[in-house]
Amino acid sequence: AQSVTQLDSQVPVFEEAPVELRCNYSSSVSVYLFWYVQYPNQGLQLLLKYLSGSTLVESINGFEAEFNKSQTSFHLRKPSVHISDTAEYFCAVRGNSGNTPLVFGKGTRLSVIA
Amino acid sequence: GAGVSQSPSNKVTEKGKDVELRCDPISGHTALYWYRQSLGQGLEFLIYFQGNSAPDKSGLPSDRFSAERTGGSVSTLTIQRTQQEDSAVYLCASTPGLAGNNEQFFGPGTRLTVL
Repeated sequence: AQSVTQLDSQVPVFEEAPVELRCNYSSSVSVYLFWYVQYPNQGLQLLLKYLSGSTLVESINGFEAEFNKSQTSFHLRKPSVHISDTAEYFCAVRGNSGNTPLVFGKGTRLSVIA
Repeated sequence: GAGVSQSPSNKVTEKGKDVELRCDPISGHTALYWYRQSLGQGLEFLIYFQGNSAPDKSGLPSDRFSAERTGGSVSTLTIQRTQQEDSAVYLCASTPGLAGNNEQFFGPGTRLTVL
């Protein structure tokens, strides 16, 4: 079984400032890791994922996340946020065999302030 | 269709009534999942269908909850004798094939409000 902890429920940050959204997981098996984003009044969208290979993964809109196996973390970062990044961000894991369900963290609400 | 669709988008019901929520997955996707998004609880897995295999019901919170998937495509989540704590957004997702690295594509959800 897996579990995910998102340490911050809300993160306010000024526009153009850097941000880090923290995610830690626990699992008895190897996992795949995901960040999903939910913009206001919209559905969940995949932001980025770690499956294997390079531990640093990037999204098309400037976010990146680094898989750290020793610290069981998958923190999400962006060097300079925009107002449009205001959303709820969910970290998720699943075992790497079969089509098992995702286990989500409780989410972090990122509010970008002008 | 191009993505996962769910209906209705909003449902308001009275406590004690039964409700049915529908999910149309992406055509050809073999796996289908139901999740619930409650305020303060994040996203919780409910049930999972993979092809013709028996569904994984381990996430269903009570026996008032059930789901079917007909013909390997459309799925219906049924909640009997709804309670106020059932109020949530119910999300459906689908994924192609059997590989564990497949992305789950989410529908827009059904917002259920139990009065």
